[in-house]
Amino acid sequence: AQSVSQHNHHVILSEAASLELGCNYSYGGTVNLFWYVQYPGQHLQLLLKYFSGDPLVKGIKGFEAEFIKSKFSFNLRKPSVQWSDTAEYFCAVNNAGNNRKLIWGLGTSLAVNP
Amino acid sequence: DAGITQSPRHKVTETGTPVTLRCHQTENHRYMYWYRQDPGHGLRLIHYSYGVKDTDKGEVSDGYSVSRSKTEDFLLTLESATSSQTSVYFCAISETAGGGSEQYFGPGTRLTVT
Repeated sequence: AQSVSQHNHHVILSEAASLELGCNYSYGGTVNLFWYVQYPGQHLQLLLKYFSGDPLVKGIKGFEAEFIKSKFSFNLRKPSVQWSDTAEYFCAVNNAGNNRKLIWGLGTSLAVNP
Repeated sequence: DAGITQSPRHKVTETGTPVTLRCHQTENHRYMYWYRQDPGHGLRLIHYSYGVKDTDKGEVSDGYSVSRSKTEDFLLTLESATSSQTSVYFCAISETAGGGSEQYFGPGTRLTVT
């Protein structure tokens, strides 16, 4: 069965620190990859997505992610975090062929101290 | 934001009572999903719909039923609410399946079963 693993469950950073959140998936075929963000008390919003092409994907608010097929990874990065980045981050994957469902990681809670 | 509303936004109910949550979209998207979100479990898919009157089970469907009689509405029913169903419920929509189509989320319904 497909699965998504997010290695960091809780991350605490100071403002201006660099961020990298890990995401690994288990599926050998072609995949689509997503990072969603959930700010406190809000619903999930799409940060960025990878379908094909350049494996380095840029999203909103200065976030980027790199798809490394050989490592089954799609790590999220931001060079300098802000207090407003405090949120929960979810990685999700689906089968690029014909899969109606997303497979979700358990999420990483990020707290940025001012 | 995608045109998705959920009602009610908050509900407190007693064990054993039936509860229906409504998701309404104005995007004319084909796919609709119901998730529950609980600490430590991330997002878990309850049921989803791939068209009017076409639904399928997700990973945590026991105790829940759904109906979709119109493209814009997807109802989630707890036949006899239990305390384990206390959660935040999110509806999501997607234009297509696979092919990298992202899901857009509603604002959520916080349900408490006492």
